[in-house]
Amino acid sequence: NAGVTQTPKFQVLKTGQSMTLQCAQDMNHEYMSWYRQDPGMGLRLIHYSVGAGITDQGEVPNGYNVSRSTTEDFPLRLLSAAPSQTSVYFCASSRAGGPGNTIYFGEGSWLTVV
Amino acid sequence: RKEVEQDPGPFNVPEGATVAFNCTYSNSASQSFFWYRQDCRKEPKLLMSVYSSGNEDGRFTAQLNRASQYISLLIRDSKLSDSATYLCVVNIDTGTASKLTFGTGTRLQVTL
Repeated sequence: NAGVTQTPKFQVLKTGQSMTLQCAQDMNHEYMSWYRQDPGMGLRLIHYSVGAGITDQGEVPNGYNVSRSTTEDFPLRLLSAAPSQTSVYFCASSRAGGPGNTIYFGEGSWLTVV
Repeated sequence: RKEVEQDPGPFNVPEGATVAFNCTYSNSASQSFFWYRQDCRKEPKLLMSVYSSGNEDGRFTAQLNRASQYISLLIRDSKLSDSATYLCVVNIDTGTASKLTFGTGTRLQVTL
């Protein structure tokens, strides 16, 4: 009963380091996305994918890369970490991007950039 | 103006009370609406969708007012376990994908 699995749960990075947040789902969902959640800002969409091989930018894509080589996996790469990227990151998936489909979130990744 | 606005609270209510949250949205093209619940340091989870005619799920009632562009969530007979942050979510279908916009959430604290 895994659902959406994110790793790592906690990470501290130094400015300029790179890292990848992993996300996997076992529900055969076409639609996957990454959000960041900051105090007073709500969840903001970073990147999303409507299927394997297809990705697109969300509201706040700068400083992040994604790829979708398989239906199951949607990793988020921080290219050169900055303190402004300190946040909680949530991966999410749904059957399709349509309005009637429930979005399932991973448990979140707490990232601190020092 | 934010696309989706919520009163951040906190709303502190005694157990058994009725509490209501409102959420306003700015884009009249918004097509579907949801309430998500988020516990402290946890992921958001769908509480309920909001239908045009209003809908109820146990102690929870959701209403939509398209003319005034707001949705509401009413919780009756509050329980301690209802303590959480409630996120208003608005969806616009762009044709290629859905654009979900999240409110910042309203925090509810139910006390004895």
